[in-house]
Amino acid sequence: KNEVEQSPQNLTAQEGEFITINCSYSVGISALHWLQQHPGGGIVSLFMLSSGKKKHGRLIATINIQEKHSSLHITASHPRDSAVYICAVTLRGGSQGNLIFGKGTKLSVKP
Amino acid sequence: GAGVSQSPRYKVAKRGQDVALRCDPISGHVSLFWYQQALGQGPEFLTYFQNEAQLDKSGLPSDRFFAERPEGSVSTLKIQRTQQEDSAVYLCASSFWGAIYNEQFFGPGTRLTVL
Repeated sequence: KNEVEQSPQNLTAQEGEFITINCSYSVGISALHWLQQHPGGGIVSLFMLSSGKKKHGRLIATINIQEKHSSLHITASHPRDSAVYICAVTLRGGSQGNLIFGKGTKLSVKP
Repeated sequence: GAGVSQSPRYKVAKRGQDVALRCDPISGHVSLFWYQQALGQGPEFLTYFQNEAQLDKSGLPSDRFFAERPEGSVSTLKIQRTQQEDSAVYLCASSFWGAIYNEQFFGPGTRLTVL
């Protein structure tokens, strides 16, 4: 069983739609990360959170520690948002911070 | 300033060949991670350095994989006698200190194809 599960695996949306990507985890964590990966491999960190909610532009990330669940929302989606979105966690009690990743959600936003 | 860089960006190797992949982290970053990402999968942890010390190599899939960071900056991931199952994107990430609560900065990755 994967320690970090994401859904959906693939998502196609029309430009302007509100998008939600979900992440569930089964381990104790110190932090949860949302990352964006464009074709060609480069990964960019979007959010790191351990509680509550963070917002950056059109992106919003929430986490519910009790339910071990996080969501990434994209408002007013745009074709340039097309990418793979990856949820990852760092383990509670760990000392080095290596990430445990979900398999990613491939988002395609059509104009 | 410059981000994390990796070289080569693409490497094609014949099965049995040795390869060396280089990572230049952000200057001053103490923590350095190597991850392996198979096609269609999320990355998986390989090894972790704190300065020049390799503190965790539990993710290295076999003894054909070897990583070093002799001066606490540039790191090299070496794969000996490559096999087809080694084909993947190898990602390097660095963090200023104690990556538990700090952002990791990723390089563009090296795509290794073993024929």
